[in-house]
Amino acid sequence: AQSVTQLGSHVSVSEGALVLLRCNYSSSVPPYLFWYVQYPNQGLQLLLKYTSAATLVKGINGFEAEFKKSETSFHLTKPSAHMSDAAEYFCAVSESGSARQLTFGSGTQLTVLP
Amino acid sequence: DAGVTQSPTHLIKTRGQHVTLRCSPISGHKSVSWYQQVLGQGPQFIFQYYEKEERGRGNFPDRFSARQFPNYSSELNVNALLLGDSALYLCASSASSGTAFNSPLHFGNGTRLTVT
Repeated sequence: AQSVTQLGSHVSVSEGALVLLRCNYSSSVPPYLFWYVQYPNQGLQLLLKYTSAATLVKGINGFEAEFKKSETSFHLTKPSAHMSDAAEYFCAVSESGSARQLTFGSGTQLTVLP
Repeated sequence: DAGVTQSPTHLIKTRGQHVTLRCSPISGHKSVSWYQQVLGQGPQFIFQYYEKEERGRGNFPDRFSARQFPNYSSELNVNALLLGDSALYLCASSASSGTAFNSPLHFGNGTRLTVT
C-alpha cells in the first residue's frame, strides 16, 4: 500500500528565505509523486509532478522538487519565498496504473512572514 | 474555458439525511474523481468515473455512491449522514482515464458539507 508523510504541519519562513517542505513516501512499486497547493476556500492546484523522467522536477511559481529513491523523499523547495506563497501544500503519491487515484499527505501550512 | 464547477458551495444537513453533490468537469474531460477532505487532513480518494463507468473506489462505506452522466457531469450521493461526513468534497476532472500523467487532475473549489 502507498502512503505519504509530510513532516511539519506548519512551516514559517521570512519573505525572501528558502522554502523547504518535506515529503516522504512509501510505495511497493515505482511511484508517481505530486505536489499540490491549496489556497483558502479553493481547490487544489498542481505545482509539479514526478513520473520517472528526471529526478529534479521544476514546477510553477518557482517551485521544484527532487526525487531521492534512497531516501524515499520528494521534498519541495523554492529559493526565495514570496508573500503569495502562503498556502497549504500537499504531497501525493500514485502507484502505476492509477493516475487519477492519489493518496495525499496531511498537508503543510506555509506562512510567509514580512 | 470554465474550470471544474461544483454545486452547491455550502450545505448543512442533519444526521440521517441524504445529500447529493454535483460536479461539472472541464469541457472535453471525460474522467471525474471525487475526494473527501476532512478539516486538517489531506484529501482522501472516494471514486473515479470515466466514460460513465466506475474505474476506482476508495475505502468508503456503501452509504457513498456516485454516477456519471452522458455529458460527463457527475453526482456524489451520501445516505444516512453521520457527523463524521462533515468535510470539503472535491471533484476533479481530467482528459484521460488513468495512466496518462500528462493529463493532470483539475480540481473544483469543493462543496463544504456540514452535518449537525
